[in-house]
Amino acid sequence: AQTVTQSQPEMSVQEAETVTLSCTYDTSESDYYLFWYKQPPSRQMILVIRQEAYKQQNATENRFSVNFQKAAKSFSLKISDSQLGDAAMYFCAQNTGNQFYFGTGTSLTVIP
Amino acid sequence: NAGVMQNPRHLVRRRGQEARLRCSPMKGHSHVYWYRQLPEEGLKFMVYLQKENIIDESGMPKERFSAEFPKEGPSILRIQQVVRGDSAAYFCASSPSYRGRETQYFGPGTRLLVL
Repeated sequence: AQTVTQSQPEMSVQEAETVTLSCTYDTSESDYYLFWYKQPPSRQMILVIRQEAYKQQNATENRFSVNFQKAAKSFSLKISDSQLGDAAMYFCAQNTGNQFYFGTGTSLTVIP
Repeated sequence: NAGVMQNPRHLVRRRGQEARLRCSPMKGHSHVYWYRQLPEEGLKFMVYLQKENIIDESGMPKERFSAEFPKEGPSILRIQQVVRGDSAAYFCASSPSYRGRETQYFGPGTRLLVL
């Protein structure tokens, strides 16, 4: 069975600082994709960043980057220069076959 | 290119009524997925459909829930005889290609409240 674990229910960061959100997953597949989605109070699911498991290079999207450790099955999200608009729930997800498997989320608060 | 559209955004039903949730995928996407998000939880997969076919319904409750994606028109998630436990946010996502290995793009969700 596929599982995705986010061990930090809540995190906070000072504006302009850097924060790292943790995610681990469990799969027997060798070919899969990993994602971070952001869910602001509007509850719209917004794609933040995507990583293909076969790529060793960590994905980067502007202020967002990941630390992908395939052997450890770890996929953390780093947010640099945090902004007030980054405040949201962040969900880690793994895609194998037809389904996405989501973690339970980390609520990020950005302190002005 | 319009995003994934869902309607209604909010739906209130009394116990025993039927709820019909609609999802129009992004233009060019023929793969639709439905997820349910209970309060304080992540999204849980329900069903994966392609046009006129249910591909994977392993996450769908066996009773009262059904889904379709007709040749013409939106995908429909139907919940019969709703109960309070059905209160949740229901998200639809679409992708352009086989097996969903592409990114899934999510709609804004439908919040169902069962009184």
